[in-house]
Amino acid sequence: NAGVMQNPRHLVRRRGQEARLRCSPMKGHSHVYWYRQLPEEGLKFMVYLQKENIIDESGMPKERFSAEFPKEGPSILRIQQVVRGDSAAYFCASSPLGYPDTQYFGPGTRLTVL
Amino acid sequence: AQSVTQLDSHVSVSEGTPVLLRCNYSSSYSPSLFWYVQHPNKGLQLLLKYTSAATLVKGINGFEAEFKKSETSFHLTKPSAHMSDAAEYFCVVSDHNSGGGADGLTFGKGTHLIIQP
Repeated sequence: NAGVMQNPRHLVRRRGQEARLRCSPMKGHSHVYWYRQLPEEGLKFMVYLQKENIIDESGMPKERFSAEFPKEGPSILRIQQVVRGDSAAYFCASSPLGYPDTQYFGPGTRLTVL
Repeated sequence: AQSVTQLDSHVSVSEGTPVLLRCNYSSSYSPSLFWYVQHPNKGLQLLLKYTSAATLVKGINGFEAEFKKSETSFHLTKPSAHMSDAAEYFCVVSDHNSGGGADGLTFGKGTHLIIQP
């Protein structure tokens, strides 16, 4: 049973470009969470999604960031017009239905904005 | 609202000596508490989890943690450190019974564990 998969593992963008980060949850998991880890910091919750539905986006920046979890395919975290401050590690986690505390994390995508 | 404070940003111990990583939490309800470990350039691995059962929780790799409600603490311990334990450790609280707010986990800032040979 494959774990949570994220790609790419490393992503380099120039200021003003778009970054798209992908997350495939564990098989059988219906909930996806995105977290951001800034250097020397813990992870900060960004958004919680089910298939075709955003449950909680209270941790998402109000502009330039969006997330989706379509009926088919991976969850996508999209950052438009990236700035240097967006450089961070972005982690995805998934959990089975009814167990939101039991989150399994992917290896993360390290975004560097030049 | 919930929060986590990891009292030490860095802890250094000698191989074979005990490890103590301190964590205090704040939660309005009965929380679930976790410790995660993150090795360099890797994802997070769950070490152990407390969910209102036994207050002493045993995890993987010889780690354990004790939930002390009176002290609002959930310190992580290990009797004898190995070189492979060198990593970043995060104390995490979840308060899904709060009825509102973020549904994600709330992470502490992390404790970097250094093992001296």
